[in-house]
Amino acid sequence: GAVVSQHPSRVICKSGTSVKIECRSLDFQATTMFWYRQFPKQSLMLMATSNEGSKATYEQGVEKDKFLINHASLTLSTLTVTSAHPEDSSFYICSARDPGQSGNTIYFGEGSWLTVV
Amino acid sequence: DAKTTQPTSMDCAEGRAANLPCNHSTISGNEYVYWYRQIHSQGPQYIIHGLKNNETNEMASLIITEDRKSSTLILPHATLRDTAVYYCIVRASNTGTASKLTFGTGTRLQVTL
Repeated sequence: GAVVSQHPSRVICKSGTSVKIECRSLDFQATTMFWYRQFPKQSLMLMATSNEGSKATYEQGVEKDKFLINHASLTLSTLTVTSAHPEDSSFYICSARDPGQSGNTIYFGEGSWLTVV
Repeated sequence: DAKTTQPTSMDCAEGRAANLPCNHSTISGNEYVYWYRQIHSQGPQYIIHGLKNNETNEMASLIITEDRKSSTLILPHATLRDTAVYYCIVRASNTGTASKLTFGTGTRLQVTL
């Protein structure tokens, strides 16, 4: 299947700082990528839909000014957690839709663990 | 996306077939059935998807009922590495916002010796 890569896989940052997570589609061009957050023992929660060349669409309750999403190219989307707080500590996962697959199959990255201290 | 109903958990002996059911009685005509699994602390892994016909790949088989209101994911010879949470999701295939994946609670499959 198609490959989606995230970086970094783990990051620790201090409260009040910002941290950026990258999501790349390695073998296909993705006009649409998705960002999820997952807390321990819970399911994945969609945060936003990232569209190449346009503004991201955020789910209800997700602060767009806190979770900045940029999708500047067909293979890269970034999520920046601004002014991080300990409660932002979570597992962040991106996914990308492969338009070349039947049903526009969506593939996921490995996830990024964020710990805010 | 249409809602799906899955059992919370299932056990399967190693080497046996694991049959994971999913109900999606309100599925629309343009919605596919997708299966993903998530092994602890990893991103979800795509397994298989289908629209109407049964599908098979190197990982699993997907059996969709004729009325499309339910489906079964079959892992033919389960191994310990198949222990994971399995998610059944129905989703439109178009490129609009309806094509996003909405995760439920899934089925926690435990494969045992």
